[in-house]
Amino acid sequence: QQPVQSPQAVILREGEDAVINCSSSKALYSVHWYRQKHGEAPVFLMILLKGGEQKGHDKISASFNEKKQQSSLYLTASQLSYSGTYFCGTEPPQAAGNKLTFGGGTRVLVKP
Amino acid sequence: DAGVTQSPTHLIKTRGQQVTLRCSPKSGHDTVSWYQQALGQGPQFIFQYYEEEERQRGNFPDRFSGHQFPNYSSELNVNALLLGDSALYLCASSLGVGNQPQHFGDGTRLSIL
Repeated sequence: QQPVQSPQAVILREGEDAVINCSSSKALYSVHWYRQKHGEAPVFLMILLKGGEQKGHDKISASFNEKKQQSSLYLTASQLSYSGTYFCGTEPPQAAGNKLTFGGGTRVLVKP
Repeated sequence: DAGVTQSPTHLIKTRGQQVTLRCSPKSGHDTVSWYQQALGQGPQFIFQYYEEEERQRGNFPDRFSGHQFPNYSSELNVNALLLGDSALYLCASSLGVGNQPQHFGDGTRLSIL
C-alpha cells in the first residue's frame, strides 16, 4: 500500500522552512527520500533505517519514527535549488532491499 | 564517471505492439531496478535484477519481463501494449540488493496510441 505524503504542495520564500510528512499504514523497515525536478531523474537524498534516526543532506534533514510508521523531511532555510517534487519510498521489514513503494509526492516551489 | 543511461529517450507505439527498453547502470553498480511513473505520480516498482536473475517483483502482469546481461546492463520488455502502459519508465542502479542509494536514469517516455 502506497505511503501518504502531506502536504501535496507547498510554496516557500527563499530562507523559509518546511516539513514534508510520509505516513504508512504498515510497519516500515526503511524510508528513502528522493527529489525530482521537472523533466529530470529522481535524485537520492537519504535513507533512514533506524527508528528515530535523523540524517542530513546539506540543510535538508529527516527523521524516522518506527512506532508511528512515519518519516518527516525538514527543509531548513530553503534555497531556490530545493524546488522540485519530493518522494518518500518505503520498504516493509520482510522485503529483501530496495523494493520501494513511493508516495504520491510533495511539490515544493521556492520563490525568491 | 558515467551515470545511468537509458535508451531510447522517447518511443511511440500502438496498442498490441511489443517494446524493449534498455538501461546501462552507473559504473560499479551491479543491481538494476525498473519503475513505471505515470504523469503526476510517484514511481511504481516493476522488478529488480541482480546477478542476471529477477530478485523482486512488483504488482505488474507477466506482460512485463526483463533481462540482465553479464555486463549488468538490463532490458525491460513489455508485450501486448495497452493504452495504460503510457508512462515514463525509469531505470535505477545500485550496488547490491540491500538498502542502498539508487541512481536513476532520465527515463524513457513511452506513448501508446
